[in-house]
Amino acid sequence: DTEVTQTPKHLVMGMTNKKSLKCEQHMGHRAMYWYKQKAKKPPELMFVYSYEKLSINESVPSRFSPECPNSSLLNLHLHALQPEDSALYLCASSQVPGQGRDGELFFGEGSRLTVL
Amino acid sequence: GESVGLHLPTLSVQEGDNSIINCAYSNSASDYFIWYKQESGKGPQFIIDIRSNMDKRQGQRVTVLLNKTVKHLSLQIAATQPGDSAVYFCAETGGGSNYKLTFGKGTLLTVNP
Repeated sequence: DTEVTQTPKHLVMGMTNKKSLKCEQHMGHRAMYWYKQKAKKPPELMFVYSYEKLSINESVPSRFSPECPNSSLLNLHLHALQPEDSALYLCASSQVPGQGRDGELFFGEGSRLTVL
Repeated sequence: GESVGLHLPTLSVQEGDNSIINCAYSNSASDYFIWYKQESGKGPQFIIDIRSNMDKRQGQRVTVLLNKTVKHLSLQIAATQPGDSAVYFCAETGGGSNYKLTFGKGTLLTVNP
């Protein structure tokens, strides 16, 4: 199984809503990532979890709250978002760097978020 | 190549031709490079990688060339097919315990039948 599964595929939310994006992988990867991608732009790193602990937060606003409940799951909790937060949110996983094929990230298909 | 503003660099080729997509990077400490392909509505998909101790690596129909002197990376696709139409991103990392994979701006490849 070499898939990273993201749900939902599409999400529309108002600025006062609370919602969550979910990501799951069963490749035994112990590093998981959230990236944000705007149209016609490259993915931008938001968060990295290593062994279920947050290791990188790229100065992401607190209205985005990541959570890694176990080694297979990664969530992104959303609250009080702004219209400019509308984007494709990509989850990825990899082996822990230094312990195998360094750097190769396996991406999900993304959750397309629209904030009204 | 580099893009300006919101415009994605584009490359248009005829089916069966060879394609060359270029990427410049700025971090001298980068030691691992990956090319990803992203089709419309999908997540990025790994194509090929190369470490900084190499200058060329070949896969099936694809070749990556690395020139560390000028910090330049290229992806060559042989006998380009309509299914190759996508946005191609180069990405680099400092390796070791560095989790941070940084993506280049991307190039839109269109293959005309």
